[in-house]
Amino acid sequence: DIQMTQSPSSLSASVGDRVTITCRASRSISSYLNWYRQKPGKAPKVLIYGASNLQSGVPSRFSGSGSGTDFTLTISSLQPEDFATYYCQQSYSTPPTFGGGTKVEIK
Amino acid sequence: QVQLQESGPGLVKPSQTLSLTCSVSGGSISSSGNYWSWIRQHPGKGLEWIGYIYYNGSAYYNPSLKSRLSISEDTSKSQFSLELTSVTAADTAVYYCARLYNSGWYGGYFFDYWGQGSLVTVSS
Repeated sequence: DIQMTQSPSSLSASVGDRVTITCRASRSISSYLNWYRQKPGKAPKVLIYGASNLQSGVPSRFSGSGSGTDFTLTISSLQPEDFATYYCQQSYSTPPTFGGGTKVEIK
Repeated sequence: QVQLQESGPGLVKPSQTLSLTCSVSGGSISSSGNYWSWIRQHPGKGLEWIGYIYYNGSAYYNPSLKSRLSISEDTSKSQFSLELTSVTAADTAVYYCARLYNSGWYGGYFFDYWGQGSLVTVSS
């Protein structure tokens, strides 16, 4: 199985801040990397697929980059609804695997 | 708009079988290209893929659960189901059903529609 490692596991930020979360795969996954946001008590919602493609309806403040083993999710200007947990997920091979999550908290 | 809804018991006794059903509306589980999936989340923890089933009935399971797991579909009812046998407290989790969507060779697969989740507690 491909292991996905996210960092940091948590961070504190303020509304309007630029936030960056990283995800590393245990071996190359090309660009088959997705990002999700999960609010408490809710199902995850896809933000970015294929490393850098913005899912329909997702605000443009979200962007993704990377290929191979190293990936980044950037939120250009943090909004109140963005205080949540973020997960990366690889779709390069079965089983699909998720990172451990990054919790974004209010500073 | 595709919608998924999990249903099943919220409490299961140890050693018994956990059974959940996902009802799909707004989309056909008989169409090729997408995989109908189960994912779980232990309390306060991350996401774990359980398995998925393709429209033709082919199922793929997480190796860590494979010996206890069965996923099936009923296309006439637009439902797919999960059975996990010999459960223990370690199987207590929120169980989600989701669609694994094929965006094409460039974007790959991603989980685009999810149910709201069903908390299953294993306890006597």
